[in-house]
Amino acid sequence: GENVEQHPSTLSVQEGDSAVIKCTYSDSASNYFPWYKQELGKRPQLIIDIRSNVGEKKDQRIAVTLNKTAKHFSLHITETQPEDSAVYFCAASDPGAGSYQLTFGKGTKLSVIP
Amino acid sequence: DSGVTQTPKHLITATGQRVTLRCSPRSGDLSVYWYQQSLDQGLQFLIQYYNGEERAKGNILERFSAQQFPDLHSELNLSSLELGDSALYFCASSPSGVAYEQYFGPGTRLTVT
Repeated sequence: GENVEQHPSTLSVQEGDSAVIKCTYSDSASNYFPWYKQELGKRPQLIIDIRSNVGEKKDQRIAVTLNKTAKHFSLHITETQPEDSAVYFCAASDPGAGSYQLTFGKGTKLSVIP
Repeated sequence: DSGVTQTPKHLITATGQRVTLRCSPRSGDLSVYWYQQSLDQGLQFLIQYYNGEERAKGNILERFSAQQFPDLHSELNLSSLELGDSALYFCASSPSGVAYEQYFGPGTRLTVT
């Protein structure tokens, strides 16, 4: 089955700096890679996603890049703000048997220091 | 608010008991996924239903079962509960069995004492 590794597990940045979180996946058949933000005690919230036919996608201060050859993808947050502080999860979709179940990384706790 | 609802928010029960968690998907969504989130295991996929039929199974214990009803709400049944079953249980929904975006509900926090 799919295995997703996520690094780093914790990340502290100064407000206004950029943050980068990296993930690798094992199943070359995976074709969908979402990122979720989870604030303490709340639901995971989909913030951006990318499909395997695209190399990069941007949404305001957030961007995701995908390297299918190397089987890794990254989340980039620019001009970080205190409200970006949360746990971020990457995931990969295993399309086996017509299901798009998600395999998640272990999460990165991002702290933005004012 | 994702439009996915889950009840109850919190559940405290004793070892050996059985509980039922309920999920209502977003309006129009046919697929429901159940995930378990614990501190040591992270977010793990349990099971998926699509339009009433089981579509995929993940790391779901035999003591756990689920179903999706004609009105598309889903229930996750956990029986013979153990201390290690204490976790957050999330459901997520998506428009179809092969749609990409999954939207999560607020979760049910289960505490087994």
